[in-house]
Amino acid sequence: AQSVTQLDSQVPVFEEAPVELRCNYSSSVSVYLFWYVQYPNQGLQLLLKYLSGSTLVKGINGFEAEFNKSQTSFHLRKPSVHISDTAEYFCAVTNAGGTSYGKLTFGQGTILTVHP
Amino acid sequence: DADVTQTPRNRITKTGKRIMLECSQTKGHDRMYWYRQDPGLGLRLIYYSFDVKDINKGEISDGYSVSRQAQAKFSLSLESAIPNQTALYFCATSEVGGGRETQYFGPGTRLLVL
Repeated sequence: AQSVTQLDSQVPVFEEAPVELRCNYSSSVSVYLFWYVQYPNQGLQLLLKYLSGSTLVKGINGFEAEFNKSQTSFHLRKPSVHISDTAEYFCAVTNAGGTSYGKLTFGQGTILTVHP
Repeated sequence: DADVTQTPRNRITKTGKRIMLECSQTKGHDRMYWYRQDPGLGLRLIYYSFDVKDINKGEISDGYSVSRQAQAKFSLSLESAIPNQTALYFCATSEVGGGRETQYFGPGTRLLVL
């Protein structure tokens, strides 16, 4: 069975500061990893995903994440945040094959609040 | 028009009532999912369907049932609603393979059970 742990439930930060949202996962097989964002009163939308290849993945809105297999982590970063980045962010994992391939397990979410 | 739509968007019901939440998609995906979101718990999978004839329980299926009426439609039912089913419910669709492993979410249905 897989699991995902987002290490911070809330992250407050000032505008134009850098931010890192931390995600660790547990799985006995190879995985694909995702970050989704949920703006207030909206559904989730994909920020970025790691399937294979380069461990540094770039996504929308200036976000990037790095897959670290040895530390089973997939932390999300942005060098300079904007007020509009205020949202809840979810890390998710799926097996890279097998019967549960494509079925996502989500972390608990991290609420990012950007202050002026 | 949105690719994944959910109806209703908001619903208030009473304990013991049967309620159905509907999801439709125009993306042509075979796979569909129902999740519930609770504060601090993230999204948890209720049921999923990999095609019209394939329906599977997720991690929290007790008290719920589903129907996949067509490739484009996947409904979630609460047979006898209880207050701890108060939550935000999301439908999602996906493809797999060829780098297309992305789930696309509807706008959500906010359900309050009194």
